[in-house]
Amino acid sequence: DGGITQSPKYLFRKEGQNVTLSCEQNLNHDAMYWYRQDPGQGLRLIYYSQIVNDFQKGDIAEGYSVSREKKESFPLTVTSAQKNPTAFYLCASRPLGQGDTEAFFGQGTRLTVV
Amino acid sequence: GESVGLHLPTLSVQEGDNSIINCAYSNSASDYFIWYKQESGKGPQFIIDIRSNMDKRQGQRVTVLLNKTVKHLSLQIAATQPGDSAVYFCAENRAAGNKLTFGGGTRVLVKP
Repeated sequence: DGGITQSPKYLFRKEGQNVTLSCEQNLNHDAMYWYRQDPGQGLRLIYYSQIVNDFQKGDIAEGYSVSREKKESFPLTVTSAQKNPTAFYLCASRPLGQGDTEAFFGQGTRLTVV
Repeated sequence: GESVGLHLPTLSVQEGDNSIINCAYSNSASDYFIWYKQESGKGPQFIIDIRSNMDKRQGQRVTVLLNKTVKHLSLQIAATQPGDSAVYFCAENRAAGNKLTFGGGTRVLVKP
């Protein structure tokens, strides 16, 4: 089935460690997005990418890094520089060049720093 | 700064009544708006969208209204059902760069 897959669903990290969250889509979508969601809060944009080998900072990029080496993959690394990484992370994708279209979301990764 | 925001954090509504969720946006360059529904622990699901050249769009039991003069967006849910209980977000898309940003969300609680 076509879709967008995030893994793992739950992730635990020790303070000072980097961790990478996976996001894969087989929808042939051009753009991909990473959002952070804190309890009872909205979605804040971390990074986004419109095309392979290119990405832009969102509103809260500090302490995060991404890569877009393949169209179907957009991994997010939470670095030790992110002071408060515990949150729910959501990845989304959408096609471009076909008019306005909504973004499709994965089921999220819940990251907890222990 | 640029933002998409919501007026009411929580909305309680009686089953069968209509719900209205509001959203204010500040970026006049946004050309496309989307409403999403999010259930606990899950990713957001698409409800309805509207382009900036429209002021109203209807779906099944839902209507989105866009007022560009005051930069206001609303979602109307007709005959609200228990399954409508969730958090609702509006999102705006800036054409230049396809940056998609979200508001803070409104929690809708449907009372039986």
